[in-house]
Amino acid sequence: DAGVIQSPRHEVTEMGQEVTLRCKPISGHDYLFWYRQTMMRGLELLIYFNNNVPIDDSGMPEDRFSAKMPNASFSTLKIQPSEPRDSAVYFCASTRGLYEKLFFGSGTQLSVL
Amino acid sequence: QKEVEQNSGPLSVPEGAIASLNCTYSDRGSQSFFWYRQYSGKSPELIMFIYSNGDKEDGRFTAQLNKASQYVSLLIRDSQPSDSATYLCAVNLSSAGNKLTFGGGTRVLVKP
Repeated sequence: DAGVIQSPRHEVTEMGQEVTLRCKPISGHDYLFWYRQTMMRGLELLIYFNNNVPIDDSGMPEDRFSAKMPNASFSTLKIQPSEPRDSAVYFCASTRGLYEKLFFGSGTQLSVL
Repeated sequence: QKEVEQNSGPLSVPEGAIASLNCTYSDRGSQSFFWYRQYSGKSPELIMFIYSNGDKEDGRFTAQLNKASQYVSLLIRDSQPSDSATYLCAVNLSSAGNKLTFGGGTRVLVKP
C-alpha cells in the first residue's frame, strides 16, 4: 500500500489567496483526520471524518477553513482567504478505528506571505 | 491545564543510557494511550500503544500507564543517536469525544 498521500508537499501563497490541500487515505480505512502542526500550538486536530461524514469539526479555527470528503478515497482542506497565521504543516491521517494506530501522510508545508 | 501535557525538553541523554519521558492527561476516563515519534521534517509514526495499567515492553521501548495518577511514560533503553527525535504522547480523551489529542512533544537528544 502506498500509505496516506498528500499533495502538494509545499505550498507558498500570498495572503488572501485560496489554498486547497488534498489527501488520499489508505484503502479500507474508515477514519480520516486533518491535523495542523506549529511550533507554538503543536499538533492540533482540525476535523475528522468517519465513512466520509464529518464527525467533529470543532477544531476548525474559523469559517475560512472548510473540509470535504466526497468519497472514501479523497478529501480536501480549503482555506479561503488565507492569512499569514495559517502558515503551518498540515497533516492528513487515516485509520481503521478511532482507537487504532494513525497513519500519517507526509504533510503539506504551507507558507502564506 | 492542558489536556495532554509533556515537558518540551530537550532531554539530553548519553548514548547507551535510559531516556525517560513523561506525559500527564486531564481526563481520568481516558482508555487509549499512544507514543508517536517524529523526526525533524517528517510525519509522526507510532512506536507504542498501551491500554491497561502497568508496563508494556517492545524491544528497547517500555510504556508505563498509571490511570489513577493520570500519567503515561515511555522509557527508551540503550538510547542510540537514531533515537534523537520528538516524542509525542497521544490520548483518546473521553471528555473530547474520544478524539486523539496530542501533547506538545518532548525533544530527545542522544549524544554519542
